Amino acid sequence: NAGVTQTPKFQVLKTGQSMTLQCAQDMNHEYMSWYRQDPGMGLRLIHYSVGAGITDQGEVPNGYNVSRSTTEDFPLRLLSAAPSQTSVYFCASSYQQGIGASGNTIYFGEGSWLTVV
Amino acid sequence: AQTVTQSQPEMSVQEAETVTLSCTYDTSESDYYLFWYKQPPSRQMILVIRQEAYKQQNATENRFSVNFQKAAKSFSLKISDSQLGDAAMYFCAYRSATNAGGTSYGKLTFGQGTILTVHP
Repeated sequence: NAGVTQTPKFQVLKTGQSMTLQCAQDMNHEYMSWYRQDPGMGLRLIHYSVGAGITDQGEVPNGYNVSRSTTEDFPLRLLSAAPSQTSVYFCASSYQQGIGASGNTIYFGEGSWLTVV
Repeated sequence: AQTVTQSQPEMSVQEAETVTLSCTYDTSESDYYLFWYKQPPSRQMILVIRQEAYKQQNATENRFSVNFQKAAKSFSLKISDSQLGDAAMYFCAYRSATNAGGTSYGKLTFGQGTILTVHP
């Protein structure tokens, strides 16, 4: 059981370049989300999805796009990278409805370290 | 909107001693979940313990336990018999149990984190 898989783990971009962070989960979770983590701050929600074809904005969505064509995948696109997007990005997934104790838990990928120069 | 506050940016403890990390939150909801996540230098997010708000009994996982005070909106983490491997950043997080419009259920709201140092 792979859980939540993020790629790439490390990436350096030049300002203005675009790229996609990939996220896949094999737990049949309806809910997937992207967070960013900056120094001295907790994780902040960028975008989320409650199922295939349904996405919505989180707390800090500007500069990012998402789509959810399948239950398993939830890619995050940086349209035109800026130094302010230098961060560690986490993908997370969970069941939409709690199913026992484990249904309440949100599972995280290992993070993607992005540097924009 | 919910907020989570961790007022201790850094804490330290001697190996084998006990330490308590503080967390307060603000919400108008009555049904929710609270979590403590551990983040070692690898940045992996590891679930330490979870608490359902409707349960009065405090959650316990081996050396980790919580003091959940619903009326005071407080959710502290106690680590007993601290070990060197406990050194990490710890995050308190809130998750709504209300599936309002099917959108809020999966969101986590995080505190700012507390860096825990364990001295040998």
